[in-house]
Amino acid sequence: GAGVSQTPSNKVTEKGKYVELRCDPISGHTALYWYRQSLGQGPEFLIYFQGTGAADDSGLPNDRFFAVRPEGSVSTLKIQRTERGDSAVYLCASSLNAGQETQYFGPGTRLLVL
Amino acid sequence: GENVEQHPSTLSVQEGDSAVIKCTYSDSASNYFPWYKQELGKGPQLIIDIRSNVGEKKDQRIAVTLNKTAKHFSLHITETQPEDSAVYFCAALRDTNAGKSTFGDGTTLTVKP
Repeated sequence: GAGVSQTPSNKVTEKGKYVELRCDPISGHTALYWYRQSLGQGPEFLIYFQGTGAADDSGLPNDRFFAVRPEGSVSTLKIQRTERGDSAVYLCASSLNAGQETQYFGPGTRLLVL
Repeated sequence: GENVEQHPSTLSVQEGDSAVIKCTYSDSASNYFPWYKQELGKGPQLIIDIRSNVGEKKDQRIAVTLNKTAKHFSLHITETQPEDSAVYFCAALRDTNAGKSTFGDGTTLTVKP
């Protein structure tokens, strides 16, 4: 079956611009996670959803970052007033439920802020 | 919060040899420890996991051991093959922070034919 998909695969933007990154989880998965991965480092937790609600957003670095999942399926990560330091790979994962459940990762969106 | 340290950062072995990657964690409440393999341009893929109620788990050439007292866990790959070459990440998670995984910084494994 289809795995987690993320669009776009690559995004180049200019400092100060607004970007949206999309994640399509595996059908039927209630939990969805966003991570950020910088070069040479492990994924860093940003936020996770259980259904439509953000169950834990403690990893969002500041108020320029926001994520939604209005219908409990697709999620969008939104970054306002992008900065060069936001450049990274943004990974999305989904699992059947939260907790000790296998997380299935998408291929990521590579964001470059010039 | 949780802190996970992973060693070594790079590991090179000859095909057929074994590879061992070690991780330590700080939060004694963590009770789920997955290992991921990440190939270039792809997202991490779960290869094995262990829960705190067991000390060891094996799946063919891959095994994981957990020492809760010392707060460390290890990945063991036997009879390595060139296709095992990738970056490996350990992670730690606790149920009360369901979903919030803390990852190590990864180990780049190279298996030389």
